[in-house]
Amino acid sequence: GAGVSQSPRYKVTKRGQDVALRCDPISGHVSLYWYRQALGQGPEFLTYFNYEAQQDKSGLPNDRFSAERPEGSISTLTIQRTEQRDSAMYRCASSSRTGSHYGYTFGSGTRLTVV
Amino acid sequence: GESVGLHLPTLSVQEGDNSIINCAYSNSASDYFIWYKQESGKGPQFIIDIRSNMDKRQGQRVTVLLNKTVKHLSLQIAATQPGDSAVYFCAENPNSGNTPLVFGKGTRLSVIA
Repeated sequence: GAGVSQSPRYKVTKRGQDVALRCDPISGHVSLYWYRQALGQGPEFLTYFNYEAQQDKSGLPNDRFSAERPEGSISTLTIQRTEQRDSAMYRCASSSRTGSHYGYTFGSGTRLTVV
Repeated sequence: GESVGLHLPTLSVQEGDNSIINCAYSNSASDYFIWYKQESGKGPQFIIDIRSNMDKRQGQRVTVLLNKTVKHLSLQIAATQPGDSAVYFCAENPNSGNTPLVFGKGTRLSVIA
């Protein structure tokens, strides 16, 4: 597509429910990154993929968070048994090359609210 | 629309004046830096980057300065326009190689028409 697409744009869920956030990167982009952004803060790294391989998941807060990118394109970030502290903007970014020596293109994000 | 940040440092500038936004980074091994602009309701947008072997890089109306001695990065915007109003973030690549960007705290630029 023309840009990085994330869905849903907004998600409200009850505490304890599982949620799946989707990211569709720019066509052909090999690297895909998940960040979380709290109000007033810069994006905080969660995990990233080169092609279908998860390269680094050190930023995932705990084992309720997981991500996959099975075919090296669309990625899903899953949060199990959501808690109120999970409420945030979740942003996906993609890059045409591996490595962080090139800029990322960010999507508009998914605003998750856990009630 | 979504508010990017409610309690950010704010820089207020008159339209037409130059703006300087500063960023301090912590990792002396960082070798690549980017400035992003984030408007309300949107994701961060790439503005300009600089590698550690440079101390200055110019784009259209924007200049990034890098001072590795004091680990300081700045973004200069010439002839600031209302459309420049946004939150600006610096980001660094903390290790040479395939590691994710680390973002700093943002600065809100408010342009007074």
